[in-house]
Amino acid sequence: EAQVTQNPRYLITVTGKKLTVTCSQNMNHEYMSWYRQDPGLGLRQIYYSMNVEVTDKGDVPEGYKVSRKEKRNFPLILESPSPNQTSLYFCASSSLVAGGTDTQYFGPGTRLTVL
Amino acid sequence: SQKIEQNSEALNIQEGKTATLTCNYTNYSPAYLQWYRQDPGRGPVFLLLIRENEKEKRKERLKVTFDTTLKQSLFHITASQPADSATYLCAPLSGNTPLVFGKGTRLSVIA
Repeated sequence: EAQVTQNPRYLITVTGKKLTVTCSQNMNHEYMSWYRQDPGLGLRQIYYSMNVEVTDKGDVPEGYKVSRKEKRNFPLILESPSPNQTSLYFCASSSLVAGGTDTQYFGPGTRLTVL
Repeated sequence: SQKIEQNSEALNIQEGKTATLTCNYTNYSPAYLQWYRQDPGRGPVFLLLIRENEKEKRKERLKVTFDTTLKQSLFHITASQPADSATYLCAPLSGNTPLVFGKGTRLSVIA
């Protein structure tokens, strides 16, 4: 089954404790991205990657890191989480077509709370 | 900067009526536009894509229009049902730029 998986689904942590949210897709997609979603602000892109070893900042990259060592995986790293990073996070992937990205497939989401 | 506006945060309609949601964009010319559905706590799910050279696209009870002159897309759900209640997001796309979403319109279909 074609899917994007994220782990963990729920995480409660404390300020400053490094964490990683994993994302994996089994559709051989070139494009992967991370979004955060907050009430009233909609989906905001954190980072995206057009292919292996190629990553770029989205609209809200501060406080986050990513890596793309393999095509299928795109982990999101919070080196020193702060309470303002409490949010619902989504990973997404798509193939690249002429003119841009194709349909986005989203993961189930990770609800992060930073105390 | 690029801006996407969806007409209202929330829209309530009676079951059986047609729901019409609006997506306006400024400061860019998308080659195509996607619409997604999102249920609470879940990731968005793709519904329809319309290209700039297409005026209208249909899928079952869904219809999307794309007016590049007005810089607007309309999303219609005919014969709406309570199961259609969700948030609907538009995402205009221009070239090899990251996909940017509107904030969405929360639709409630009342039985």
